[in-house]
This record gives sequence, structure tokens and C-alpha cells, in this order.
Amino acid sequence: GAVVSQHPSWVICKSGTSVKIECRSLDFQATTMFWYRQFPKQSLMLMATSNEGSKATYEQGVEKDKFLINHASLTLSTLTVTSAHPEDSSFYICSAQPGQGHSPLHFGNGTRLTVT
Amino acid sequence: AQTVTQSQPEMSVQEAETVTLSCTYDTSESDYYLFWYKQPPSRQMILVIRQEAYKQQNATENRFSVNFQKAAKSFSLKISDSQLGDAAMYFCGGGGLNYGGSQGNLIFGKGTKLSVKP
Repeated sequence: GAVVSQHPSWVICKSGTSVKIECRSLDFQATTMFWYRQFPKQSLMLMATSNEGSKATYEQGVEKDKFLINHASLTLSTLTVTSAHPEDSSFYICSAQPGQGHSPLHFGNGTRLTVT
Repeated sequence: AQTVTQSQPEMSVQEAETVTLSCTYDTSESDYYLFWYKQPPSRQMILVIRQEAYKQQNATENRFSVNFQKAAKSFSLKISDSQLGDAAMYFCGGGGLNYGGSQGNLIFGKGTKLSVKP
């Protein structure tokens, strides 16, 4: 149980275009999901907290207008990278928490984004 | 500042031997939890073990155990009888380390790359 599906697993896009990444909790409801970014050989850095039915909370230094997050239902959060640039190329991972408090987070498989 | 420090960028262990990965953290919160995640080449994040800060007993999961020293803010991972499949990046971290942050807001260390020699 507690499966998180992330789609697509990899995507290549041209500079200036937008890319949408989906994160779904398949067998549980998640009022909160988290989006991370991971550069090669580095750790995961939290980008934003996605809250169902309300605005996302962004970490310092993350551009809200560039990384649009929508959490329209209890099982789906989307991250849209708008007007993508080569420096946006990275590995993006989402996670979701089946319960509250200290219940474990479950991660999606990640999305490798390459902007050409 | 809320930080998680892994001082060993890379470690190596012989198959069937034991290895310990180090981790220290900093927080002024009292209600938090700690964990180790494993990230193999597939890049899927896999929970290895977790520890509630209020529990004194060290968590154990089969070949994996932790040495939780709360006063010293240390949380090391011991892998016994290492297997080839244990080779991966290991990330130490915690939830609830931030004041006002949600329990799901995780802070990760920079990771330790573990190699297992046959």
C-alpha cells in the first residue's frame, strides 16, 4: 500500500515551453504533498508544500510564477515548470503522507526533466 | 538553523561485513522524527528506517539499526551483513525539525554513497 505515482518519468522539452508533472497517491488520500528537486550527485531540496484546496507554500528562493503547483484533489498534485530554461533541467520528486503527524512519507519515482 | 550533516560523502564495505554511516542534526524542537532513506541508481527513494525522537530504544529493521544519541543529536545507521543490493546513496534526515513546519516537511543531509565490494 501507500503507492505514489509520478508521471512522466522523463521528459525533454525546448526552452520557453511549459512542462507539467503529475503526482498521484494511488491508494490513499493526501491533503499535503511535497515537491523536491535533486541536482546530480546532490541531496533533495524541498521546493514547495502542496496543500489540497489552497495555495502552495514555497521555500525561500523558489519562484512561484515559474513553478506552478496545483493540488486540486486529495489524490493529485501537479507541478508545472513554465517557460522552461536549460537551468531548470533537474530531477523532480514528489512525496505524499498517508496520514498526519509522523506517518512515513512515500515518494514517487521522480521525473527527469531536460530542457534543450 | 535546522541542518542535517552527513560527514562521509562516500563509504565502502566488503560484502557480509558491517558498516556504519554517520549523521548529526540540529534542532530546537522536541517533537520530531529521524529517518534514513536509500536511493539506488533507479533514484527511487526507499525508507530504510525511522526513529521517533521521544523513543529511547534504537529502531531496528532486520539488518539495519540506528544508534540514536539524542543529547548529542547523532543518528548513525549500522548495516550488518552487507549485501550487494545495499549499494546506494543513503540520506539521513528528519521531519518536524523546523519550528512551525509540518511533520512532512523533511530535511535531508547531503547523502553518503555506499559501495559494497564482492
